Amino acid sequence: GEDVEQSLFLSVREGDSSVINCTYTDSSSTYLYWYKQEPGAGLQLLTYIFSNMDMKQDQRLTVLLNKKDKHLSLRIADTQTGDSAIYFCAETLMDSSYKLIFGSGTRLLVRP
Amino acid sequence: SQTIHQWPATLVQPVGSPLSLECTVEGTSNPNLYWYRQAAGRGLQLLFYSVGIGQISSEVPQNLSASRPQDRQFILSSKKLLLSDSGFYLCAWSSPGLAGGRHTGELFFGEGSRLTVL
Repeated sequence: GEDVEQSLFLSVREGDSSVINCTYTDSSSTYLYWYKQEPGAGLQLLTYIFSNMDMKQDQRLTVLLNKKDKHLSLRIADTQTGDSAIYFCAETLMDSSYKLIFGSGTRLLVRP
Repeated sequence: SQTIHQWPATLVQPVGSPLSLECTVEGTSNPNLYWYRQAAGRGLQLLFYSVGIGQISSEVPQNLSASRPQDRQFILSSKKLLLSDSGFYLCAWSSPGLAGGRHTGELFFGEGSRLTVL
């Protein structure tokens, strides 16, 4: 079945690195995504990784994919107070094609 | 460039009243369209998606319905709201075609509509 799980909350100090973790169950996932949601707003795509990659770096963001363990992580270097938000992991499935399955979201709080 | 708009942004409705949330996309043709709901403290639940005019797929049985009267217009409706319908409703679009095929499948979201049913 389709299931994406994340821890609910993470608190870090400004300037530290944040690591948000996600596990998924469907091995046929093609793309995996990280979205950011600021309070009262819609979701914005941060980055995505194709399932045949194991790492992708984009400025302060590093995505690691362990396909064997079905584990995805998002590392934010030098975390800033503006990074405080809810972060959603999502997968898209090769069979259904039109749907993204989202995790429950991880609320990141950055303390000054 | 493509834009997505949904309205109203906030809505307070009594139990048993009707609902209509509207979403429009500009700058693209034949998009895939989606309605998600985000209940308080929970993740995103896919409610409906559409790959073309008049084509609606329902993911979760409920008292909500969706319609796509025009290519870039997606409407979420209810005849009689329940308390459990309260939540944050998000419309989204993606490029037409198969995710993982011709494109990367990402969704582009509107700003959301917060519905409170009293």
